[in-house]
Amino acid sequence: RKEVEQDPGPFNVPEGATVAFNCTYSNSASQSFFWYRQDCRKEPKLLMSVYSSGNEDGRFTAQLNRASQYISLLIRDSKLSDSATYLCVVNERDSSASKIIFGSGTRLSIRP
Amino acid sequence: NAGVTQTPKFQVLKTGQSMTLQCAQDMNHNSMYWYRQDPGMGLRLIYYSASEGTTDKGEVPNGYNVSRLNKREFSLRLESAAPSQTSVYFCASSEGLAGSLYAKQFFGPGTRLTVL
Repeated sequence: RKEVEQDPGPFNVPEGATVAFNCTYSNSASQSFFWYRQDCRKEPKLLMSVYSSGNEDGRFTAQLNRASQYISLLIRDSKLSDSATYLCVVNERDSSASKIIFGSGTRLSIRP
Repeated sequence: NAGVTQTPKFQVLKTGQSMTLQCAQDMNHNSMYWYRQDPGMGLRLIYYSASEGTTDKGEVPNGYNVSRLNKREFSLRLESAAPSQTSVYFCASSEGLAGSLYAKQFFGPGTRLTVL
């Protein structure tokens, strides 16, 4: 089993739709979680951190479910500009080393 | 603020040649990272530097070396390039190290490297 798994998509949804992605992780000791977006041939850019209590930033909502070991990203009222690849990131750290694991990404395409 | 800058943007090497990829950040971040991104593989961590003067191996360090020249700069060296190192290389920095909420990473624009 991969350490971090995402549905690769592509998700193809109409403008204005609500879309949700999940990302599962295998290490229950994982400590911090993030969502990034990456446009074609560009660098990843931080979208939002994922807090234990869940957090919202405008049309975007991130949730963490430690019991089932997944994080989710919900996009409401999707815009054409939301078309991108969404990467989840899981961080682990112990006294000797840090581990940063990126998912392979979920491709989202918003159609007019 | 320029954020994270990388040079060069593109590079073509022949097998066996060496080169150094440069990265600099102006955000006064403590931690810096080098990743490679291959189609369908996601980003994989090559090396990281938790703070000035320290470096550690990531997931795929073989064939690479790094230098944390000072707090701003973190370079990646390929001593003898191989076709398997054809990839897009991203440098990133963060205020704190992975495992904390200060581990939000900011990425440079990437270097597209082809090894023939």
